[in-house]
Amino acid sequence: ETGVTQSPTHLIKTRGQQVTLRCSSQSGHNTVSWYQQALGQGPQFIFQYYREEENGRGNFPPRFSGLQFPNYSSELNVNALELDDSALYLCASSSGTGGTDTQYFGPGTRLTVL
Amino acid sequence: GDSVTQMEGPVTLSEEAFLTINCTYTATGYPSLFWYVQYPGEGLQLLLKATKADDKGSNKGFEATYRKETTSFHLEKGSVQVSDSAVYFCALNDDYKLSFGAGTTVTVRA
Repeated sequence: ETGVTQSPTHLIKTRGQQVTLRCSSQSGHNTVSWYQQALGQGPQFIFQYYREEENGRGNFPPRFSGLQFPNYSSELNVNALELDDSALYLCASSSGTGGTDTQYFGPGTRLTVL
Repeated sequence: GDSVTQMEGPVTLSEEAFLTINCTYTATGYPSLFWYVQYPGEGLQLLLKATKADDKGSNKGFEATYRKETTSFHLEKGSVQVSDSAVYFCALNDDYKLSFGAGTTVTVRA
């Protein structure tokens, strides 16, 4: 069984640019959640996708957007990058959206904004 | 809103010592509770979970019991190894999203 994978591993961008991060969910999972983890902090929820629809969103501006595809893989897009967007971006997949459904995390994408 | 408060680190221990990391939560409903572990340069790995009051989660020698009366989910291990050195995160899920604590860095010395 393949776990959650993310690409790329590392990325360096400059302020004002746009970035797309990708995530492949674990086999059998239909839900993908994205989190931002700043250095030395706990992950913060960005949004969740369930069967290609956004199921919930955290306190992030609209320049953070996402997609989920029919195979349940997902993209996170960030426009107009700011220095504070430098972080580890984590994707997690689960078999449902409920509170008891365990979210399994990928290795993350380290984004550096210069 | 829902939140998690966990013991501040860093925590430094000798091998075979007893480890406890305190975690308390605030939630309006009846959340599921989780401990995740993050090794250097990696993503999060699920360590254990509990979905209702008095449930005990356990894995790899780690244990935590869901205490509704004290709104706590403290992590314990009786004898730590150098390989347990990592950052540990307590988290809750009351609906669909995880809310994490700030993390506790644990270093185990041989």
